[in-house]
Amino acid sequence: EVQLVESGGGLVKPGGSLRLSCAASGFTFGDYSMNWVRQAPGKGLEWVSSISSSSSYIYYADSLKGRFTISRDNAKNSLYLQMNSLRAEDTAVYSCARDRCSGYSCYSPNAWGQGTLVTVSS
Amino acid sequence: QSALTQPASVSGSPGQSITISCTGTSSDVGGYNYVSWYQQHPGKAPKLIIYEVSNRPSGVSNRFSGSKSGNTASLTISGLQAEDEADYYCNSYRSGSTLVFGGGTKLTVL
Repeated sequence: EVQLVESGGGLVKPGGSLRLSCAASGFTFGDYSMNWVRQAPGKGLEWVSSISSSSSYIYYADSLKGRFTISRDNAKNSLYLQMNSLRAEDTAVYSCARDRCSGYSCYSPNAWGQGTLVTVSS
Repeated sequence: QSALTQPASVSGSPGQSITISCTGTSSDVGGYNYVSWYQQHPGKAPKLIIYEVSNRPSGVSNRFSGSKSGNTASLTISGLQAEDEADYYCNSYRSGSTLVFGGGTKLTVL
């Protein structure tokens, strides 16, 4: 069974930093592109970032303006999101999501974690 | 990075059919066949119900169907059931290898 478990969320002050992790199991992690998607309380889904299976290709939503960094460690079956210069509008549940296709990107995540809540407030 | 445009809400009675639209541009919906649809029940993770415009993952009911015309994609749910009441999101590949979601549509089964 595919499992994705996020951790690292919490309360942080504006301007602060946080590193999220996503532990993957039940599939060959190194074969799949991965994504981070966030959902602000009561709001819709927002794609944050994606990383290819070998970390060769990395993409971000324009709105992040270089504040976030995605990475992965295939040996540890883990995905990460380093978030810097956090703002109140970054408050959301952050979920990792695995792409549907093995070996190439097909831009349709089909396995999601339950997410970790990040709250940015003074 | 503007979101795709979906109606905020739709409703229908059990047994009826409803359609949810998702409008983008030639840089996303209109330019690529990488349109997906997700169903999200409250407090739950999104579930992929349509990928590549009109394909259903294994295990998804054939009451769900997808299509695209120009810059607008559509999700049709036929034979509405109470369990279909949920939020629905479209998603598309956008030029530059990014993804973009729609704002979401709340489906109410009357």
